[in-house]
Amino acid sequence: EPEVTQTPSHQVTQMGQEVILRCVPISNHLYFYWYRQILGQKVEFLVSFYNNEISEKSEIFDDQFSVERPDGSNFTLKIRSTKLEDSAMYFCANQPRGRFGYTFGSGTRLTVV
Amino acid sequence: SQQGEEDPQALSIQEGENATMNCSYKTSINNLQWYRQNSGRGLVHLILIRSNEREKHSGRLRVTLDTSKKSSSLLITASRAADTASYFCATSSSGGGNKLTFGTGTQLKVEL
Repeated sequence: EPEVTQTPSHQVTQMGQEVILRCVPISNHLYFYWYRQILGQKVEFLVSFYNNEISEKSEIFDDQFSVERPDGSNFTLKIRSTKLEDSAMYFCANQPRGRFGYTFGSGTRLTVV
Repeated sequence: SQQGEEDPQALSIQEGENATMNCSYKTSINNLQWYRQNSGRGLVHLILIRSNEREKHSGRLRVTLDTSKKSSSLLITASRAADTASYFCATSSSGGGNKLTFGTGTQLKVEL
């Protein structure tokens, strides 16, 4: 079964620091997503990425956030200046084509102190 | 209420019993999906039902969809202790691209 791999599994960072969360998606999937889940809350959509560009983003995904596919395979989420409220589990997800089920990674737990 | 709300919030049953979880949503959808999440782990896709389908089966899972009531149910038959997890419904809305809107989840505990 193909997997989505996320690294690191857990990251602790100082408030104001930049973090980069990494995802190795499934190679033949076309759609890429980042979601986050604050402890005890709903899973929230951040951004979708298709054909090497952002196709949709949520209100959460402000100027502090960016996504890239730096080498055509890895998929990264960067938070430029972290805030305490950015503490959450961040999930990368892939979709082979639209309107199919997603494959989620196991997540990165980000703790901002 | 918000898009994608499940009830009950928590459900505790004995192994071998059936577990039913419900989900309500507000907007028109393309499809509705159910995911499972073990504590502190990623989400695992269980089943997808399209807006023109009414019922779907996969192993011990049965999903129904009533678009007139904007609701869905997930039935797990003959539950096992290993089914203990949180279960989320997620909708892909018409005109909403392919993003998913998740519900609040049902925490299922299956006891031996």
